Amino acid sequence: DTAVSQTPKYLVTQMGNDKSIKCEQNLGHDTMYWYKQDSKKFLKIMFSYNNKELIINETVPNRFSPKSPDKAHLNLHINSLELGDSAVYFCASSQLAGGHTDTQYFGPGTRLTVL
Amino acid sequence: DQQVKQNSPSLSVQEGRISILNCDYTNSMFDYFLWYKKYPAEGPTFLISISSIKDKNEDGRFTVFLNKSAKHLSLHIVPSQPGDSAVYFCAASDTGRRALTFGSGTRLQVQP
Repeated sequence: DTAVSQTPKYLVTQMGNDKSIKCEQNLGHDTMYWYKQDSKKFLKIMFSYNNKELIINETVPNRFSPKSPDKAHLNLHINSLELGDSAVYFCASSQLAGGHTDTQYFGPGTRLTVL
Repeated sequence: DQQVKQNSPSLSVQEGRISILNCDYTNSMFDYFLWYKKYPAEGPTFLISISSIKDKNEDGRFTVFLNKSAKHLSLHIVPSQPGDSAVYFCAASDTGRRALTFGSGTRLQVQP
């Protein structure tokens, strides 16, 4: 069973388009995250949701909007895609609400390429 | 500003020998440190962690050492195996934040 899954795995699209990436976890975790791995290979936090409530919102353009319909899902919608949005996006989840030492489990990543 | 730094982008060792991966951090608020392992086309997988109240944590072939005064941690893999070949990310967190701050990774190649 896949613990944290993301769809699609690859996404190629044109500049200016709107796209969504979906994430689901079946671990029963309360907290979910979106990270972006840039060209320099750093993974950087974008958003974090705890039980459907936004708790971390880093300096991310407002073209990026996370949506959490329930605590098992955290989707990422991106409007007006730009070349610089090309990256690998990782979803993650963790168990303990409020606990910073809880292990984060990552999905396989979505490679977004904007042409 | 890179708060977690892995200055060696790659490391190559012989099978059976020790692999030592290093990580430095600048934020004094970090009190929990983790190592993640990543294979191509997969997400990072948790490997081992250490709290700032300890200076060593061991799990099988993997040992993490923490030197708080130097703001430095290292991951030792003994003995190294070809299956250990992957990218290793150092990460850190603090009480006030539930997100991880990652380094840029070190690619380990274990030669048979």
